[in-house]
Amino acid sequence: KAGVTQTPRYLIKTRGQQVTLSCSPISGHRSVSWYQQTPGQGLQFLFEYFSETQRNKGNFPGRFSGRQFSNSRSEMNVSTLELGDSALYLCASSLEAGKGNTIYFGEGSWLTVV
Amino acid sequence: SQKIEQNSEALNIQEGKTATLTCNYTNYSPAYLQWYRQDPGRGPVFLLLIRENEKEKRKERLKVTFDTTLKQSLFHITASQPADSATYLCALGNNDMRFGAGTRLTVKP
Repeated sequence: KAGVTQTPRYLIKTRGQQVTLSCSPISGHRSVSWYQQTPGQGLQFLFEYFSETQRNKGNFPGRFSGRQFSNSRSEMNVSTLELGDSALYLCASSLEAGKGNTIYFGEGSWLTVV
Repeated sequence: SQKIEQNSEALNIQEGKTATLTCNYTNYSPAYLQWYRQDPGRGPVFLLLIRENEKEKRKERLKVTFDTTLKQSLFHITASQPADSATYLCALGNNDMRFGAGTRLTVKP
């Protein structure tokens, strides 16, 4: 069974640009969540989607947005990039939302903003 | 505001000893708590889940305790090996999952 797949793995963007990251969950998983990981802040929750609906949102500005498609694949978008957005962006999937289901992480997308 | 604190940023121990990692939280009542392992450049990998009505869980050389009165979880790795060297993250869950900053464990041969 294939794991969580994130693309691209590495990317470099310029301040002010926007970026879209993609996540394909494990087959059969309907919940997808996104996290930002930086050395200073650790793993910060961005948002969670379940059955194409945003279920929860972390404390991030509106420049960070996401969506989920009918096949459970998800994308997140960051507009007007800032230097501080440089981070590892991790996607995780689980069978259902909440309830202590095990979440499975992808390898992440490394974003560098210059 | 909610806070999740893991005892120390780094922990060094000798091979064969028991590693004990701590996760404390405030202003939060999680329904469950999970521990993850993360290797450099990789995504976290699930290790153990313990629910609020459980005191202790074991899996092979791993043991986790959950004290909702103290608002603390302890994670133990017995008979530690150099291969156990990694960063360990605790995560608290209700409607979503919130992670601690992690403890980097180094097991020296």
